[in-house]
Amino acid sequence: NAGVMQNPRHLVRRRGQEARLRCSPMKGHSHVYWYRQLPEEGLKFMVYLQKENIIDESGMPKERFSAEFPKEGPSILRIQQVVRGDSAAYFCASSHATSGTYEQYFGPGTRLTVT
Amino acid sequence: AQKVTQAQTEISVVEKEDVTLDCVYETRDTTYYLFWYKQPPSGELVFLIRRNSFDEQNEISGRYSWNFQKSTSSFNFTITASQVVDSAVYFCALSKSNSGNTPLVFGKGTRLSVIA
Repeated sequence: NAGVMQNPRHLVRRRGQEARLRCSPMKGHSHVYWYRQLPEEGLKFMVYLQKENIIDESGMPKERFSAEFPKEGPSILRIQQVVRGDSAAYFCASSHATSGTYEQYFGPGTRLTVT
Repeated sequence: AQKVTQAQTEISVVEKEDVTLDCVYETRDTTYYLFWYKQPPSGELVFLIRRNSFDEQNEISGRYSWNFQKSTSSFNFTITASQVVDSAVYFCALSKSNSGNTPLVFGKGTRLSVIA
């Protein structure tokens, strides 16, 4: 079974550009979570999605950030007009829908550098 | 609100020593889940263990063991006979609410260095 896939692994953007981060959950998983890890910090929750639905976006900055998880295809985290403070590692995790299996399996992360 | 505190920022041990990583949590939920993840230098996050709040039995998996004490809101992690490959940042995490499929609240992590 393939694990959680994220691409790209590394992304460099200039200030003002857009960044698109992709996450393909593990096979059979319909829950996706995005977390951000700033340098030397723990992971901070951003958004929780199920297919075609945003369940919890309480950790998402109000402006410039958006996320989706369409019926077909990967989940996308989109950052518009990036700033230097957006430089971080962005991790996606997925979990199974049924009860009893709550482990969140993480992807390898996308390291975003804003120059 | 949920909170996870990992008071040890960095720990350095010599190979074969035992080491315990502390984790203290705060939550108002009566049902919750606790997790440990390992982040090696390569950067990915590796799931180590999940424990629900009703199960206070200690768990052992090879050289790893976990001590869950509800009375002190702690979920400590011990590595026995540490090895260089154990060098990593270890994160303790708590489920955000009393439902399993919920976002996690992470501590800031403990960086463990095992010296040969």
